[in-house]
Amino acid sequence: GNSVTQMEGPVTLSEEAFLTINCTYTATGYPSLFWYVQYPGEGLQLLLKATKADDKGSNKGFEATYRKETTSFHLEKGSVQVSDSAVYFCALGTDYGGSQGNLIFGKGTKLSVKP
Amino acid sequence: NAGVTQTPKFQVLKTGQSMTLQCAQDMNHEYMSWYRQDPGMGLRLIHYSVGAGITDQGEVPNGYNVSRSTTEDFPLRLLSAAPSQTSVYFCASRQPGQNTEAFFGQGTRLTVV
Repeated sequence: GNSVTQMEGPVTLSEEAFLTINCTYTATGYPSLFWYVQYPGEGLQLLLKATKADDKGSNKGFEATYRKETTSFHLEKGSVQVSDSAVYFCALGTDYGGSQGNLIFGKGTKLSVKP
Repeated sequence: NAGVTQTPKFQVLKTGQSMTLQCAQDMNHEYMSWYRQDPGMGLRLIHYSVGAGITDQGEVPNGYNVSRSTTEDFPLRLLSAAPSQTSVYFCASRQPGQNTEAFFGQGTRLTVV
């Protein structure tokens, strides 16, 4: 079945450090891929997405490239800020199979950025 | 646009009590879902609906009921609360299509004592 695996946290970085959060997926067909962010005490909100192979999603300095050959969608940011401290979720979307209409989420990676 | 609205934000229940978590969206989305979030477990799908009058079970449906009488509303009922249902609950809505974004409510933090 469809699934998402992302690196376990927590991840602690100093301000201005480089961030990578790994995400790999298993899916039949050609899913869409998403990164969501959850700030403390809030719901999830879309950070970026990619809908086909080799697409790059980007937002707020974050980037992720849809790599079909490695079934990956790693999240990167060149210089993190304290305000980036949050939980990050990788997700995939299909409109077929048992996940009809629903996104499948990874377990989340908590990022803490220290000044 | 209010988006997805969940009520209440916090709730404490005694074991055996029942309650309904409310979810409403004003975006005319066909798809709505309920998830629970537990430490180390990520988001787990409880129930979902692909349209008014249609509901189905997700990964962890036991102890919960849903109904979808209108496009806008998708309440989640706890029939007889148990401590294992202590969690943060999120409602989400989405349009059909694998490329579409899911919109989430702010969550309901439920404690069962």
